[in-house]
Amino acid sequence: QVHLQESGPGPVKPSQTLSLTCTVSGVSLRSHDYYWSWIRQPPGEGLEWIGYISYRGNTIYNPSLKSRVTISADLSRDQFSLTLTSVTAADTAIYFCAPSRPYDAFHIWGQGTIVTVSS
Amino acid sequence: DIQLTQSPSTLSASVGDRVTITCRASQSISSWLAWYQQKPGKAPKVLIYKASILKSGVPSRFSGSGSGTDFALTINSLQPDDFATYYCQHYKSFPWTFGQGTGVEVK
Repeated sequence: QVHLQESGPGPVKPSQTLSLTCTVSGVSLRSHDYYWSWIRQPPGEGLEWIGYISYRGNTIYNPSLKSRVTISADLSRDQFSLTLTSVTAADTAIYFCAPSRPYDAFHIWGQGTIVTVSS
Repeated sequence: DIQLTQSPSTLSASVGDRVTITCRASQSISSWLAWYQQKPGKAPKVLIYKASILKSGVPSRFSGSGSGTDFALTINSLQPDDFATYYCQHYKSFPWTFGQGTGVEVK
């Protein structure tokens, strides 16, 4: 059974860099079946797809965040990470990690981790 | 980007009601659409994918329809557990986007 767990720093100060990790169990990041995504949800708002890293290490980012986002993977630990630079209060959100297969929905989600950007 | 517009934004209904939420795409997405249910403090849960395929384990009172640009999620005989927020999401092209959400509340 696939399970994902996000972890992160909690509060982040404006202009700093946010770093989150998603630890995957039940399947290998090397699996040819999955793309590994980050999705976020500001308090009381809707969902925004941030981007993904594929099993080959290819990345696709949402253009709205592309200049500030990096998604990377540590295959040996079955972890993938999100780095978001120059954060502002608008980046305050719950951050979820989720895998998907090509042309498929997000069937599995992590529980999410809350990131607050505040001085 | 492909925009998804859900209607209504909020829906008031009673247990036993049949409710329909619509999702309109700004351009054709074929059938590459999913519907999710989200409850406060929880991650979204997929109900329907590829526009009309019911996720295993999801009650059969949920159904999805549509293709191209117009889609609908219908809940037949609303149950107490169904009061939640519902999102559509396309995966036709990048960036994948979500609708703004529809809150189903107690009338």
